[in-house]
Amino acid sequence: NAGVTQTPKFQVLKTGQSMTLQCAQDMNHNSMYWYRQDPGMGLRLIYYSASEGTTDKGEVPNGYNVSRLNKREFSLRLESAAPSQTSVYFCASSRLGIANYGYTFGSGTRLTVV
Amino acid sequence: DQQVKQNSPSLSVQEGRISILNCDYTNSMFDYFLWYKKYPAEGPTFLISISSIKDKNEDGRFTVFLNKSAKHLSLHIVPSQPGDSAVYFCAATTTGTASKLTFGTGTRLQVTL
Repeated sequence: NAGVTQTPKFQVLKTGQSMTLQCAQDMNHNSMYWYRQDPGMGLRLIYYSASEGTTDKGEVPNGYNVSRLNKREFSLRLESAAPSQTSVYFCASSRLGIANYGYTFGSGTRLTVV
Repeated sequence: DQQVKQNSPSLSVQEGRISILNCDYTNSMFDYFLWYKKYPAEGPTFLISISSIKDKNEDGRFTVFLNKSAKHLSLHIVPSQPGDSAVYFCAATTTGTASKLTFGTGTRLQVTL
């Protein structure tokens, strides 16, 4: 059981370059999320998709776009990377109604923008 | 505005002793709370949770206490083991179909021999 799979695991970008972080889950979860983790800031929500076909902004959406491609896949795109987007990015999924289950997280993508 | 706060960035505890990790929240709409554990180079993993209708939930060595009037929760680990060394995140949510978690900044626990 793979759970939540994120690719790539590491990436270095130059300022202004674009890239897409991929996330897929095989648990038939309805909801998916993208978080970023920065030192001293904890995990902050970038975008989420409560169910297939819907996406909503989280706490820090500026500079990002998302696509809920199907029930399994939720991608995060940086159109023009900036050094402030250097971070570790986590994708997560959950059943509809989070109580008692919480999230299942992927192992993260470490992104450096130079 | 940080709605979930973990004011201790780090904690060091001897093996066998009790570890107490604290978390405060400001949003009175939060009604479900969770603790996650994170090892380096891995994603966070769910540890234990508590509903606002309870004041205590226990799972083996882990107990979470909730004080709603103080908007405070704590995670107790007894006895602490070296494998418990990790970063612990407190999280909170308002339950519903579009629930999303708000996380604290994390506390790094080191259990020493």
